[in-house]
Amino acid sequence: QQQVRQSPQSLTVWEGETAILNCSYEDSTFNYFPWYQQFPGEGPALLISIRSVSDKKEDGRFTIFFNKREKKLSLHITDSQPGDSATYFCAASENYNQGKLIFGQGTKLSIKP
Amino acid sequence: ETAVFQTPNYHVTQVGNEVSFNCKQTLGHDTMYWYKQDSKKLLKIMFSYNNKQLIVNETVPRRFSPQSSDKAHLNLRIKSVEPEDSAVYLCASSDERLFFGHGTKLSVL
Repeated sequence: QQQVRQSPQSLTVWEGETAILNCSYEDSTFNYFPWYQQFPGEGPALLISIRSVSDKKEDGRFTIFFNKREKKLSLHITDSQPGDSATYFCAASENYNQGKLIFGQGTKLSIKP
Repeated sequence: ETAVFQTPNYHVTQVGNEVSFNCKQTLGHDTMYWYKQDSKKLLKIMFSYNNKQLIVNETVPRRFSPQSSDKAHLNLRIKSVEPEDSAVYLCASSDERLFFGHGTKLSVL
């Protein structure tokens, strides 16, 4: 049973457009949601995160929108750049400072120049 | 900047062999982890260690065993590998955020 689900599986957008990556979860006890970015041959790297007490978190071109009632969140990447091409993972945990994360299956993002 | 170091980068072995992967972190974190990333890129936690105490074991097969000499090191031993063990094994450490190494790709022939 997949507790964290991501869609789409893959996404292609043109350079300069906004990419929208979706995530949903099942467990109401989850209260911390980080997004990780992974390039081929490397480990995942923390990109941005949000706690369930907030409905929006912004960091430069990256914004998380969070809907606790619907158990959904999304990552928006504005002004997409070719260097943003990577696999993005949504994750969830019950505790902010715990490394025990439940990961989604990832969205492979490709940015066309 | 890499602060979680894993060796080797790649390892090819045959069914039934024993393998061991090393991991060291220089972040001063108290907790380290092993995650498995399968061919579909799905990430699942295997173990976590806090001050040499195992605090999470996600029902992985008994042929897997974590080994720690101090809080900066957490190795992974697989006794008698099987084909389904082919994957990327990612070591990580955390304080408030989880930092991953580059991974060790295991291929079991």
